[in-house]
Amino acid sequence: AAGVIQSPRHLIKEKRETATLKCYPIPRHDTVYWYQQGPGQDPQFLISFYEKMQSDKGSIPDRFSAQQFSDYHSELNMSSLELGDSALYFCASSFLGTPVSESTDTQYFGPGTRLTVL
Amino acid sequence: SQQGEEDPQALSIQEGENATMNCSYKTSINNLQWYRQNSGRGLVHLILIRSNEREKHSGRLRVTLDTSKKSSSLLITASRAADTASYFCATDPTGANSKLTFGKGITLSVRP
Repeated sequence: AAGVIQSPRHLIKEKRETATLKCYPIPRHDTVYWYQQGPGQDPQFLISFYEKMQSDKGSIPDRFSAQQFSDYHSELNMSSLELGDSALYFCASSFLGTPVSESTDTQYFGPGTRLTVL
Repeated sequence: SQQGEEDPQALSIQEGENATMNCSYKTSINNLQWYRQNSGRGLVHLILIRSNEREKHSGRLRVTLDTSKKSSSLLITASRAADTASYFCATDPTGANSKLTFGKGITLSVRP
């Protein structure tokens, strides 16, 4: 079965540079989420989109922005990178619509993008 | 406050034994999801249990949910070395494309 695709898988940037992370949700999933996981930490919610509209926002710095496009893929843009932004960034997708099934509400995660800021 | 506190933080068992991991949370939920993560890798969804369910099985996994105590447990039976990973519980407050709040995770080591 198709899974969530993220690119790139690894990214190395210098401080103050910008980075763009991409996410391709599972086909027919209507919601995309972004999470950040620092070293040894639990994943923290950043932002989500439902049907291309922002649906929720977590502890996302103002330097970060995200959007979901007409083909449902999403991009997380990160500017003025700081050392503390080094983390694993996960995208997840889920299906909220009908018909309701056993997998409704389940969030399926991608493999993540490991961002290292030097 | 931290939603989804797992207990214990680390667990080491022998292959073939059962592993039980507990999770407590603070606010009301629509569902609770368990994930597995191998070191530095992606989060693999294991099982979702809804607030109106008390127990659920999937292969060697058994999950229970006690909403009165705001707690859940994940039991892995007949553990294997390949089960070595970190396990997270994550709570979903509304079930309507809402964010998951993760706990700190439990590191499970299964010795061959």
